[in-house]
Amino acid sequence: EVQLVESGGGLVQPGRSMKLSCAASGFTFSNYGMAWVRQAPTKGLEWVATISYDGSSTYYRDSVKGRFTISRDNAKSTLYLQMNSLRSEDTATYYCTRVPYNNHFFDYWGQGVMVTVSS
Amino acid sequence: NIVMTQSPKSMSISVGDRVTMNCKASQNVGNNIAWYQQKPGQSPKLLIYYASNRYTGVPDRFTGGGYGTDFTLTINSVQAEDAAFYYCQRIYNSPPTFGAGTKLELK
Repeated sequence: EVQLVESGGGLVQPGRSMKLSCAASGFTFSNYGMAWVRQAPTKGLEWVATISYDGSSTYYRDSVKGRFTISRDNAKSTLYLQMNSLRSEDTATYYCTRVPYNNHFFDYWGQGVMVTVSS
Repeated sequence: NIVMTQSPKSMSISVGDRVTMNCKASQNVGNNIAWYQQKPGQSPKLLIYYASNRYTGVPDRFTGGGYGTDFTLTINSVQAEDAAFYYCQRIYNSPPTFGAGTKLELK
């Protein structure tokens, strides 16, 4: 069974940093691209970043470029999102998602982790 | 960037009815559309990919259609468990844009 379990969220002050993790199991992690998608409270879905299966390619939405870094450790089957210079508009539930064979849609989603940026 | 516009924003349907919701792309995207269902308090689930391919385990009452700029998600004989938000998404590496969603409520 495919499982994606996010961790690392919580309350953080504006301008500070936070790192999210996503532990994957139930599939060969190194064969799949992965992505982060977020959802602000009562709002719709917003793609954040994608990383290729081997980490060689990364993509970011414009509003997080230069502030967020997506990375992966295939030996640990873990996806990361390093978030720096956080803003109130980054407040959201962050979902770890699987990207099947570079098809750029999302076939499995984690349960999500809440990040609140507030002073 | 291509904008995805979903309509209607919400709809109220009776169990057993047939419902169609729409997703319009601001430019031609071919068949590069996915649909997701998000029930209250849950993570989204993939329903349809490449416009008309039903994902594994998705009931056959869910049907996706369209090409180019206009796409539809149809639910035949709506069930109570279908009450949810439905989102379309342009399948693309950067950015893979989502629509704002359609809320399906049951009467």
